This record gives sequence, structure tokens and C-alpha cells, in this order.
Amino acid sequence: QQQVKQSPQSLIVQKGGISIINCAYENTAFDYFPWYQQFPGKGPALLIAIRPDVSEKKEGRFTISFNKSAKQFSLHIMDSQPGDSATYFCAASPRGSEKLVFGKGTKLTVNP
Amino acid sequence: EPEVTQTPSHQVTQMGQEVILRCVPISNHLYFYWYRQILGQKVEFLVSFYNNEISEKSEIFDDQFSVERPDGSNFTLKIRSTKLEDSAMYFCASSEVYLAKNIQYFGAGTRLSVL
Repeated sequence: QQQVKQSPQSLIVQKGGISIINCAYENTAFDYFPWYQQFPGKGPALLIAIRPDVSEKKEGRFTISFNKSAKQFSLHIMDSQPGDSATYFCAASPRGSEKLVFGKGTKLTVNP
Repeated sequence: EPEVTQTPSHQVTQMGQEVILRCVPISNHLYFYWYRQILGQKVEFLVSFYNNEISEKSEIFDDQFSVERPDGSNFTLKIRSTKLEDSAMYFCASSEVYLAKNIQYFGAGTRLSVL
């Protein structure tokens, strides 16, 4: 089943807090898991990505945690800022393919 | 910073009409993609294009859809006879060729409204 399930649908966090967005998948053929950030009126932009041979990847305030056995991965935004307010999409790509299978998105609002 | 450019930003058409959505990928990129997002739903893959041919397509990409790279800079998506359910945001993306997974850069999208 080539689906990626994302939760929550929306998230409100106070400035300085931690934002956590979760995704789950069933297809073990996925071998690439990017997160995209989208601001209103713009296209999705790659934020951070991970492959299943590592359990965590950190870039600045953004961290992906990956649990291969549970088939879950999550995005953590530390010290969340109002400028982080956007829609976040998790995605996955099957082995041997370049297509991206997206989750439904999470609208994050960071209050000042 | 180089970016993927899509035109028009909003296209309104009557059911049954043909539409062409246009994209200018990043200049040194060789892989091109179309995705669509129906309002309130997830972004869905339509097609990928490399070396002047379709490399992969989804079940959504039926005979009503076609893609073309008519010159060295444009990449187009044609819908021959639009249906109401084709109303969506259409995203073009492009990527360089790596040995591993390519980073896909997305345009801002074209909103297609079929009346």
C-alpha cells in the first residue's frame, strides 16, 4: 500500500516550544523520506530528508526521527518560531522510483 | 536563487476544453515532474519525464493527459478534455540527476478551475 499517513492535521505551538509532526507508512519498499515546507502562495520546498539506514538526522532546529521497525518517522522543530508557521508535508519515495508519495499535510501555527 | 516557474498562476476553463499548463524548470535540471493537489487533499504524483520521454506515470495520468518538452526550457502538461474533477492545483517540479534520490524543486503551482 503506497500511502503515507500524517498527523496531526493542524498544530498550534507557542514560540519557543517544540513542534512534532508524525508520519507512518506500510510499504517497506520506500527508501527515501523527505519533509517539505510550504508557505501560502508558494510550492513545497525541501526541508530535510532521511534514508532508512539512519535513525535520526538533524539540521539546525529541524530533526527527523526514523523508526524502521515501526514504519514511522517524525519531524521535530525545536525552539519553534512564528516564521515556521507553514504547512508541512512528509513524503516517501519507493526504491527504484523518483516519485514522491505525500502525506496530507500539517498546518503549523506558531504563536508569538 | 534558481526557481521553477509556472504559468499561469490561475487558469479557468470550461468543461471539455483543452488546457496547457506551462513550466520552466531550473536550467541545469534534467528530470521533470507534475503533481496535483485537489483542494483539501494530498499532493499526488502524476508523471515524471526524463530524456524526452515519460519515465513513470500514475494511474491518474490517463489518455487525457500528456506532457511535452517543446523546446530547451519549457515543460508542459496538456489536459485534452477537462472534467470538473480536474480542478486542482498543479505543481511542476524539477531535479538534477544524481546517483541517489534527486531533490525535487517545486514551482508555486497553477490553480486550474474547471467550470
